[in-house]
Amino acid sequence: EPEVTQTPSHQVTQMGQEVILRCVPISNHLYFYWYRQILGQKVEFLVSFYNNEISEKSEIFDDQFSVERPDGSNFTLKIRSTKLEDSAMYFCASSEASLGGDYGYTFGSGTRLTVV
Amino acid sequence: AQKVTQAQTEISVVEKEDVTLDCVYETRDTTYYLFWYKQPPSGELVFLIRRNSFDEQNEISGRYSWNFQKSTSSFNFTITASQVVDSAVYFCALGGGYQKVTFGIGTKLQVIP
Repeated sequence: EPEVTQTPSHQVTQMGQEVILRCVPISNHLYFYWYRQILGQKVEFLVSFYNNEISEKSEIFDDQFSVERPDGSNFTLKIRSTKLEDSAMYFCASSEASLGGDYGYTFGSGTRLTVV
Repeated sequence: AQKVTQAQTEISVVEKEDVTLDCVYETRDTTYYLFWYKQPPSGELVFLIRRNSFDEQNEISGRYSWNFQKSTSSFNFTITASQVVDSAVYFCALGGGYQKVTFGIGTKLQVIP
């Protein structure tokens, strides 16, 4: 079964440093998402991306965050200057564009970001 | 706005008992999708089921079954004959079209041997 792949699985960074979280969505999917989950809390939407631009973003997704699809396969989340409160599990997801069809969101296994 | 309510934050059952996890949702969309995900202690999100809003048929998959009732905006999940490996956090989620998926806060299930 096709998978969404995320790397690295765990990243430790110092406060103030930039981090890039990487994702390879399922190849025929057109919509891409980032979610995060602070330890012990619910999974929260960050941003959705379609046709090389952001289609929706939450209030969490401030100017410190950016997303990019630098080539035909990768989808990245950059945090410009990490804060302690950015420590969380970050999940990438993708979905196929199918009007009215039965489709779903496939999540990657997550990147655990620890800011120290 | 979309909202998912999982009123049970933690449930403990003894192995082999049946357990039902409740999920109530709110949406203005006429077409939407409901999901259940399992998050074991290792942290990944494991897809369990996706249900289209037009399909109210209940579904059974092995020991798992789902009861979707639009009239009460509920999408409950039952595990029959629970096992220790079922111990995890279970998230109900709601998605509309290509939009974001809204997750509930999760129900932590502990199955005691």
